[in-house]
Amino acid sequence: GQNIDQPTEMTATEGAIVQINCTYQTSGFNGLFWYQQHAGEAPTFLSYNVLDGLEEKGRFSSFLSRSKGYSYLLLKELQMKDSASYLCAVMDSNYQLIWGAGTKLIIKP
Amino acid sequence: ETGVTQTPRHLVMGMTNKKSLKCEQHLGHNAMYWYKQSAKKPLELMFVYNFKEQTENNSVPSRFSPECPNSSHLFLHLHTLQPEDSALYLCASSQDPSGGGNTGELFFGEGSRLTVL
Repeated sequence: GQNIDQPTEMTATEGAIVQINCTYQTSGFNGLFWYQQHAGEAPTFLSYNVLDGLEEKGRFSSFLSRSKGYSYLLLKELQMKDSASYLCAVMDSNYQLIWGAGTKLIIKP
Repeated sequence: ETGVTQTPRHLVMGMTNKKSLKCEQHLGHNAMYWYKQSAKKPLELMFVYNFKEQTENNSVPSRFSPECPNSSHLFLHLHTLQPEDSALYLCASSQDPSGGGNTGELFFGEGSRLTVL
């Protein structure tokens, strides 16, 4: 079966760096997405990786290794507003999105 | 503002009621989706419409009935629901990625929080 694994919850300190990991097993691969979802709000797009390597976008970076079925989302200079759930999703060979259960990130002062 | 609008934001209904959720997208996308989001579980895809044609129905119970009158509007008709159907229902839209040239990035609405008593 197809599966996405990511930690359920993580805690970090304001101003620090946190890395949220995502491992996947899917039937084919057409890209990996990271979304951010604040409580009570819609998920919003953060990043898309289809080739191996690091994509940097401001304080957020996303890394992909297709051979290892692995990605991570790196958040730098954490701010209180980064407290949210982070969703990892992989598009399989049928262009269906397979979702992880999300990682709840708690930022402490 | 994501360009996808859902109404109502909150809905409480009894098991014998009939209600509908509405979704409208202003992004010119050709695919629309209904997802169910329950606490601590992955997003569950319910229905997909490409160019108004339903292309996916993930074994959803018949008490959920989708309707897509045009590429900008999507409805989810609800009847005789069960308490376990209580969840956040998310609508999303995208450009269909299967044709190439699009990543398939989803744009989500704010969701409709459904409580079934």
